[in-house]
Order: sequence, then structure tokens, then C-alpha cells
Amino acid sequence: DIQMTQSPSSLSASVGDRVTITCRASQSISSYLNWYQQKPGKAPKLLIYAASSLQSGVPSRFSGSGSGTDFTLTISSLQPEDFATYYCQQSYSTLGFTFGPGTKVDIK
Amino acid sequence: QVQLVQSGAEVKKPGASVKVSCKASGYTFTGYYMHWVRQAPGQGLEWMGWINPNSGGTNYAQKFQGWVTMTRDTSISTAYMELSRLRSDDTAVYYCARSVVAGSRYDYWGQGTLVTVSS
Repeated sequence: DIQMTQSPSSLSASVGDRVTITCRASQSISSYLNWYQQKPGKAPKLLIYAASSLQSGVPSRFSGSGSGTDFTLTISSLQPEDFATYYCQQSYSTLGFTFGPGTKVDIK
Repeated sequence: QVQLVQSGAEVKKPGASVKVSCKASGYTFTGYYMHWVRQAPGQGLEWMGWINPNSGGTNYAQKFQGWVTMTRDTSISTAYMELSRLRSDDTAVYYCARSVVAGSRYDYWGQGTLVTVSS
């Protein structure tokens, strides 16, 4: 199975900050990488797919980059509604579409 | 609009089975794969497998093989996930989510179904 790691596991930031979250795959997954946002008690929400494509309706302050094994989610200017947990997921291996462990973004 | 509506919360005893449903509306049910993902309390997301509603074909995560069964009823646009031999560590919220192909993004999710396993 492909293992996914994320860093940091949590971070504290202020409204307006630029936030970067990193995701790494244990082997190359090309651009088969998706990012989700989850708020407490809610289902995950798709933000970015295919590493860098913005899902319809998602604010442009969210962006993704990377390919192969290393990927990044960036929030250019953190807004109050962005405090949540973020997960990456690889959709490359049919053996298992594994998720990263998550990165919790909370208020400084 | 696209909706995935899941069945309600369940409480089961260890060793029992649970069957969770996911009713799709607002799109062609057979045109999208349905995945199941679970989340234990305070934990991350765990992919369980998918079903192709068109063919009925399935692909389960190795961890769940022999233990989970995914089915569908195309006449009512509903997918099902049945987990047997429940243990306390199967206590989790179970989500369904759709994707256009097996290895693709999950653009719509169900609201989640809490399954509690307790004696």
C-alpha cells in the first residue's frame, strides 16, 4: 500500500496568514492527489483534485501543487471559515486510496 | 442537485453485523463509483473500498476483505455497505462518497452514519 504523510500535524495561524501544508507519498503517484477540508461533525469537502485543480465553488485562496511524491496545499490568506482539518488522499493505487493523517489548522 | 443521504445511527453488539445505506439523487446512479470511508472518533479517514453501481463490481481494501460487503440496488439508486463480526474498534462514522472513475476525486459525500459497537 502507498503510505501518505502530512506535515505539520497541526498548526496555529491568524486570519490573513499564508498557510502551507505538505503531503508526501511513499512512492510516486504522479498527480493523483486530492485535498479535502473537514470541519467537526461534517463530511469532508473536496478542495483540490489532480494535485492542482481547484474544485468548482472553492475559493481561489486555496491552491495545490506538486507531483510524484511531494505535494503542497496553500491557503494564501487564511479566513475564519478555514479553521478545519485538512487531508490529502492518493487516488493512484487501486490497492487502496489512502488518506494522509490530517493537518489541523486552528486559531493562534 | 446531487445528494447522498445515508441511513441513521446504529448501535450494535460485538459480533453482530451492520448494514448502512446511501441513497443517491440528482444524478445517474450507475454513472459514478461509490466509495465507503470511515472515521473513528477523533481519528483520520480510512478508505474501505468501492462499488461500481453499473456492474456491481467491487474493490475492497485488503484490511476489509472477507469482512465487508458492498452492494447496490439500482432500482432505488441506493448503495449499501455491510460490515460483519463487529468489534468495539469498528465504532466510527461511515461515509459514502462518489467518484466518476475508481481512481478519482470524491466530489460529493453522504452526511455520515455513526455506528457504535458496544456490549
